[in-house]
Amino acid sequence: EVQLVESGGGLVQPGGSLRLSCAASGFTFSTYGMNWVRQAPGKGLEWVSYISSSSNTIYYADSVKGRFSISRDSAKNSVFLQMNSLRDEDTAMYYCARDGIVLMVLDYWGQGSLVTVSS
Amino acid sequence: DIQMTQSPSTLSASVGDRVTITCRASQSISSWLAWYQQKPGKAPNLLIYKASRLESGVPSRFSGSGSGTEFTLTISSLQPDDFATYYCQQYNNYPLTFGGGTKVEIK
Repeated sequence: EVQLVESGGGLVQPGGSLRLSCAASGFTFSTYGMNWVRQAPGKGLEWVSYISSSSNTIYYADSVKGRFSISRDSAKNSVFLQMNSLRDEDTAMYYCARDGIVLMVLDYWGQGSLVTVSS
Repeated sequence: DIQMTQSPSTLSASVGDRVTITCRASQSISSWLAWYQQKPGKAPNLLIYKASRLESGVPSRFSGSGSGTEFTLTISSLQPDDFATYYCQQYNNYPLTFGGGTKVEIK
């Protein structure tokens, strides 16, 4: 069974940093691309970042470019999102999602990790 | 970036109703469109990809159609478990973009 479990969320002040982790199991992690998608309270879905299976290809949404950094560790079956210079508008539930066999379709999602940016 | 627009934003319907949700892209995306269902407090769940292909395990009352810039998600006979919010997503190119969502409510 495919499982994605996020951790690392919490309350942080504006300008602060946080690192999210997503632990994967139930599939061959090293052969799949991974994504982060966020959802502000009461709002819709916003794609944040993508990393390919080999880490050779990385994309970011313009809203986080230069502040967020995605990485992965195949030995730990994990993907990470380093978030720096956090702003109020980064407050959201952050989901990690697997890039499916059909590329760019998100076929499995974690339960999410809540990030709150507030003073 | 490709903008995705869903309509309506909210839809009130009864069990057994046929329901149709529309998604429009700001430019042609061929058939590179997916649909997701999200229930309150839960992560989204993939329903349909490539505009009309049903994900494994998804009930056959769900169907998708369209190509280019206009797409529809249809639920042939609404069931109690289907009251949720539905999102379309284009995967023609990055950044991946989602529609604003359609909340299907009980009438």
